[in-house]
Amino acid sequence: KAGVTQTPRYLIKTRGQQVTLSCSPISGHRSVSWYQQTPGQGLQFLFEYFSETQRNKGNFPGRFSGRQFSNSRSEMNVSTLELGDSALYLCASSLELGTRGMNTEAFFGQGTRLTVV
Amino acid sequence: AQSVAQPEDQVNVAEGNPLTVKCTYSVSGNPYLFWYVQYPNRGLQFLLKYITGDNLVKGSYGFEAEFNKSQTSFHLKKPSALVSDSALYFCAVRDWNYGGATNKLIFGTGTLLAVQP
Repeated sequence: KAGVTQTPRYLIKTRGQQVTLSCSPISGHRSVSWYQQTPGQGLQFLFEYFSETQRNKGNFPGRFSGRQFSNSRSEMNVSTLELGDSALYLCASSLELGTRGMNTEAFFGQGTRLTVV
Repeated sequence: AQSVAQPEDQVNVAEGNPLTVKCTYSVSGNPYLFWYVQYPNRGLQFLLKYITGDNLVKGSYGFEAEFNKSQTSFHLKKPSALVSDSALYFCAVRDWNYGGATNKLIFGTGTLLAVQP
């Protein structure tokens, strides 16, 4: 079974540009979450989608947005890039949306390394 | 608010010796706890999760975790360390969303495990 696929793996952009990152979850998984990883802030939650609906959003500016398609694939977009947006962006997929009665683990992709110059 | 703490930035251990990577948690309600490992320039790999009622949870690659409710800890352990275990380890807890279900994870700061030959 194929894992979570993120494209591209590496990206270099200039300040002020915008970028779109893609994530294909494990087949059958309907929940997709995005995280930003930086040396200074660690792993921070961006947003979460389930069945094409954003269920949860982290504390990031409106320049960060995302969406999920009917096949569960997800994209995240960052507009007006800043130097501080340089990070590893990780996508995670889960079979279902975790509830009080379920302890669903998340499976992560390899990440997209974004460098803003 | 849900949180986890990893008190050690780095743990050094000789190959063949037992290893412990520490994690303490603070939660409202039941603790949904996870351990992940990250190798350089890679995404996170799921190791194991806490299952309610099991104080010793077994996971991938010979790792296990000991849950202690009175000490609010979920320490990762392995009886005999390998050089290939050298990586960054993250403890995580599922967030508590009173408004509904979520797979959002809150991560610790990570512990770098270095296994010397």
